[in-house]
Amino acid sequence: GIQVEQSPPDLILQEGANSTLRCNFSDSVNNLQWFHQNPWGQLINLFYIPSGTKQNGRLSATTVATERYSLLYISSSQTTDSGVYFCAVVFGAAGNKLTFGGGTRVLVKP
Amino acid sequence: KAGVTQTPRYLIKTRGQQVTLSCSPISGHRSVSWYQQTPGQGLQFLFEYFSETQRNKGNFPGRFSGRQFSNSRSEMNVSTLELGDSALYLCASSQDHYEQYFGPGTRLTVT
Repeated sequence: GIQVEQSPPDLILQEGANSTLRCNFSDSVNNLQWFHQNPWGQLINLFYIPSGTKQNGRLSATTVATERYSLLYISSSQTTDSGVYFCAVVFGAAGNKLTFGGGTRVLVKP
Repeated sequence: KAGVTQTPRYLIKTRGQQVTLSCSPISGHRSVSWYQQTPGQGLQFLFEYFSETQRNKGNFPGRFSGRQFSNSRSEMNVSTLELGDSALYLCASSQDHYEQYFGPGTRLTVT
């Protein structure tokens, strides 16, 4: 069936380290977004990236739609990067229905 | 532009009661979607409204319903609450087929 899988499920980093989060999806997509969920539960938009590469400060993302995966890079991690990162996609003719991955829980230690 | 707003932010209800949650989208956005987040099931799609019409529906029982008004504000209703309905309910708005923005959520506890 239609699936979005994220890896790794958990990631522990030392402050200053770099990391890569991966999102695999099972079918062609019209929309792909990366979110960071803050401690109060709100989903913060990081990237809208159905294809290509984008950068925003220490974060960057790449989506290779033909190979059905997306990567989120965190460079020079800070303790404020801790939290859960979600990848979400809109498949085919699903309107605006986002299908979420299970998330990657990131803990950055000082 | 103001972001997506949701009210109330926290709610405690008793089993068997009903609840109504409200979502005001970003100005100009006509699509509003609702999601439920629980520790066991993750983030799941409930339904989407566009121009007052339900366009898409997730796999939830009929106790979960929603509507959208002419100003794009949306409400969702859960009747005959069950303990398992305790969750964070998130609302998202977007221009059609584009980036979606989420509100802060309503945390519902059913006792």
